[in-house]
Amino acid sequence: AQSVTQPDIHITVSEGASLELRCNYSYGATPYLFWYVQSPGQGLQLLLKYFSGDTLVQGIKGFEAEFKRSQSSFNLRKPSVHWSDAAEYFCAVLTGTASKLTFGTGTRLQVTL
Amino acid sequence: GAGVSQSPSNKVTEKGKDVELRCDPISGHTALYWYRQSLGQGLEFLIYFQGNSAPDKSGLPSDRFSAERTGGSVSTLTIQRTQQEDSAVYLCASSLALESPLHFGNGTRLTVT
Repeated sequence: AQSVTQPDIHITVSEGASLELRCNYSYGATPYLFWYVQSPGQGLQLLLKYFSGDTLVQGIKGFEAEFKRSQSSFNLRKPSVHWSDAAEYFCAVLTGTASKLTFGTGTRLQVTL
Repeated sequence: GAGVSQSPSNKVTEKGKDVELRCDPISGHTALYWYRQSLGQGLEFLIYFQGNSAPDKSGLPSDRFSAERTGGSVSTLTIQRTQQEDSAVYLCASSLALESPLHFGNGTRLTVT
């Protein structure tokens, strides 16, 4: 069965610093990969997705993610974090044989000024 | 409306009572998901509807949980004889197709006292 691991439960970075949130998946073939962000009291919003092609994908709000098949990873990055980026971030995987999107447990990002 | 609408936004109920949570998906979206989000647990898949196909109920935690989708649009998640462990945020999402991004509602926060 597919699974998603986000090893970091909580990360704190200073505003202006770079950010990398880790995501590892378990699935034999190439999955569809997503990153979502959830602000307090809100639903989830899609940041970016990877289906195929270029392994570096650009998303909204200046985020990007890189698919690395050899590492089964899809880490999210941002070169300079803004205070408004404080939120919870979820990595998710969808496979061709499964009808449901499987989410990781999330990483809560705190930004210090 | 423009987005996925969930009601109520908050629900407090006594243990043993039944509750109904409602989801209005985006018009034209054929896929509809229910997820449960508990503190520190990430998003737990509950049930998935796709068009006129039989729903994928594999995530429902017990037979106290049921969901229906009428006319391929509005969905209702029903929890019978609520227990304290049912306390969580229940999120609904819809999408155009299986691999399309999910659009989430803001959720219903259920508290069982």
